[in-house]
Order: sequence, then C-alpha cells, then structure tokens
Amino acid sequence: DQQVKQNSPSLSVQEGRISILNCDYTNSMFDYFLWYKKYPAEGPTFLISISSIKDKNEDGRFTVFLNKSAKHLSLHIVPSQPGDSAVYFCAARSLGGANNLFFGTGTRLTVIP
Amino acid sequence: DADVTQTPRNRITKTGKRIMLECSQTKGHDRMYWYRQDPGLGLRLIYYSFDVKDINKGEISDGYSVSRQAQAKFSLSLESAIPNQTALYFCATSDQGQGNQPQHFGDGTRLSIL
Repeated sequence: DQQVKQNSPSLSVQEGRISILNCDYTNSMFDYFLWYKKYPAEGPTFLISISSIKDKNEDGRFTVFLNKSAKHLSLHIVPSQPGDSAVYFCAARSLGGANNLFFGTGTRLTVIP
Repeated sequence: DADVTQTPRNRITKTGKRIMLECSQTKGHDRMYWYRQDPGLGLRLIYYSFDVKDINKGEISDGYSVSRQAQAKFSLSLESAIPNQTALYFCATSDQGQGNQPQHFGDGTRLSIL
C-alpha cells in the first residue's frame, strides 16, 4: 500500500511562474519529509526537507509547506526555470524508524521557456 | 568524481544468472541503502546497512542479498535472476550524525533480465 502519494504524474508551467508540486501521505508516524529532483540517467538529488515540527522551510527559490492535519506537503518553486524540468519525488521517514525513506511515484515537471 | 558510484551502469543478463551490483562511496557515511525503481512506482527499499556488521532487510528483500565489505562498499546480489527483477537500482548513503540526514544517491544501474 502506497504510504506516500503524488497524484499528479505531470505538470507544465511557464518559465517565471510558480510551480506547485503536491504530496499526500497516510502514515501519521512520518516525522521527516524530503523532496528529491531527478534528471534522466542520473540518481535522485536531494533538494529540500522539512521536519514535522515545522510547517514551512525555504531555500532560495524552493519552499516546502507541511500541513500535518491534512497529511499533505507541497513544494513551491518560484520563479520556475527551464533547468527545473525534471521528475520530483516526495519522500518521508517514520519516527523511530531506521532512516528508511518511503517514496512517492514522482511528478514530471516541465518548465516551458 | 561522483561521491556515490554504482557499477555497472547498465547490465543485460539471462534468467537464472547470478548478478552483483556494486556501490562505493567517498562521503565517509556509515549508512548505505539499496533501492529499486519500477516504472510508475517510487523507489522501494531492498536492504540497508548502518555499519559493516549491521545488515537489515527492507520492504522488498526477497530474491536479493547484500554484502557490506567495508564502510565504503555495499554490494547487492541477485542469486538467480528472474525477469520481474528488471528495474533501475539505486544505492544511497546517509550520515549518522545528529538531526535529520538526507540520503544521497548514486546514478543507478539499469538491469534487464531476459
């Protein structure tokens, strides 16, 4: 059973606009959430993370929001750039677990110049 | 040079063959992981190791074995490969340090079993 879900397989956004990628989870024991970016023929690259004790974390153009009551997190990219075109994976770790990550199925973002 | 190196990058083999995928890292991390990715699915954990003497099964360990030869090396073996093990395999590492530590991935091995 998929504990981390990314319901949008793809998203297209104009350059300069905001990209919003969404992720839902079912396990209330998740305490640490991460976003990874993946280019073709490369491994996932860590982008940004958030602890469950926070509701927002920002790093440059990237902001992650966490809504624990809704079991939902989102990644905002502002402004979007063509180089942001990639597959984005949401991942989560369980409290007391062994740092094992549970991944969503990914959203392919295309930023149109 | 890549911090997490996987070899080979691509492999095609036949059903029943024994295959070893290798992973080495220069990050000095204690923790290492093996995942597989299938089309339309996220990455799923096969095995993980917190140090040379510590090996643990992940979500989908059946049909796989691992060896942690040194802090920097973690190998994944398919004892008798079957077609449904065709997938993209990733190795990852993470630091044991205080606080939350992200995992860092290699570039993957694309494995095809005929």
